[in-house]
Amino acid sequence: DAGVIQSPRHEVTEMGQEVTLRCKPISGHDYLFWYRQTMMRGLELLIYFNNNVPIDDSGMPEDRFSAKMPNASFSTLKIQPSEPRDSAVYFCASRRHGDYGYTFGSGTRLTVV
Amino acid sequence: ILNVEQSPQSLHVQEGDSTNFTCSFPSSNFYALHWYRWETAKSPEALFVMTLNGDEKKKGRISATLNTKEGYSYLYIKGSQPEDSATYLCAFTYKYIFGTGTRLKVLA
Repeated sequence: DAGVIQSPRHEVTEMGQEVTLRCKPISGHDYLFWYRQTMMRGLELLIYFNNNVPIDDSGMPEDRFSAKMPNASFSTLKIQPSEPRDSAVYFCASRRHGDYGYTFGSGTRLTVV
Repeated sequence: ILNVEQSPQSLHVQEGDSTNFTCSFPSSNFYALHWYRWETAKSPEALFVMTLNGDEKKKGRISATLNTKEGYSYLYIKGSQPEDSATYLCAFTYKYIFGTGTRLKVLA
């Protein structure tokens, strides 16, 4: 099992550009979570999906952020336009219904300059 | 607004010392509480999942207790070692909310 796979590992972009972060959950896991980690706020839940359907997106900071899960094996988090304050590490995690634990990906470190 | 609070925010201990820290969470709508160990530049690693009031879990020198009625969990590390240095996170899975973590540094 390859675990939760995120790409890219690092992304540096200029303010105003579109950024797309990708996540492949563990096969068979039906929940997928996107978290953002900053020094000030720790790990914040942005959005989570169950069976590819967004369940709670109340943590998405603003309309510049959007997330999709077109199928059970792929999700994207898009920021358009990006701003320097979006610089953070973005984690994807997945779990299977009935299991209590999550498995995290390695994260994408985003720097917006 | 649901808050998960951890204390202390950071902690330095000497090798061999035992230590503990706290996670406080809302006592209503409890589903499960997770403890994670998070080393710099790695992803969080699950330590314990606790679901029942009075649960006690143990993994080597690390153990945890849970009180769902009063809304807290303790994580204990016995005989801390430098390799225990990490951020310890708790997560309250009613709304998948993480605490801000306790950063532990064990000095050799």
